[in-house]
Amino acid sequence: NAGVTQTPKFQVLKTGQSMTLQCAQDMNHNSMYWYRQDPGMGLRLIYYSASEGTTDKGEVPNGYNVSRLNKREFSLRLESAAPSQTSVYFCASTIMGQGRDQPQHFGDGTRLSIL
Amino acid sequence: AQSVTQLDSHVSVSEGTPVLLRCNYSSSYSPSLFWYVQHPNKGLQLLLKYTSAATLVKGINGFEAEFKKSETSFHLTKPSAHMSDAAEYFCVVSATSGTYKYIFGTGTRLKVLA
Repeated sequence: NAGVTQTPKFQVLKTGQSMTLQCAQDMNHNSMYWYRQDPGMGLRLIYYSASEGTTDKGEVPNGYNVSRLNKREFSLRLESAAPSQTSVYFCASTIMGQGRDQPQHFGDGTRLSIL
Repeated sequence: AQSVTQLDSHVSVSEGTPVLLRCNYSSSYSPSLFWYVQHPNKGLQLLLKYTSAATLVKGINGFEAEFKKSETSFHLTKPSAHMSDAAEYFCVVSATSGTYKYIFGTGTRLKVLA
């Protein structure tokens, strides 16, 4: 009963390095999301994918790219990491298209530090 | 446009006393509202949701919330706090149909004193 799985759980990068955060869900959800969480700011949407084959920008997309690899997987890439991207990143999924009352399911997060 | 305001960034209660976490929302449409809890180093877990059925919603771990349209509020309550309730709580509104987005409050950190 895995739900939403994020890898890695922790990562330290140097400024300018690149990396990809992985997310997979096993609940047959069609919509997936990437958020970042910073102290006092709640969760801010980076990108989302309403369904397989589509992606859209959220509130804070600059410096990130995403790939919806298939229905299960949604990855987030930092091409050239900056200290301002130090944060906790959460992946979430839900079923959309059946009304707006479906909650999101979250992974346990990736804690990313950029030095 | 939708928005969510959590009125307190920190709340402290003694174990065994009631909990009240306040949330006001703004929505042009009939909203769907959610409360999530986040324990340290964990993801967000759904506590309860309001979806235009009963205005008093019961969730997990003894929590409940009341939707008050006239006050545009969705406050979270629990009759008796437990040490394990210490966590951060987020109020969330589902955005306008078709946009697939959720709007998060900035969170309320609940501290439970022994």
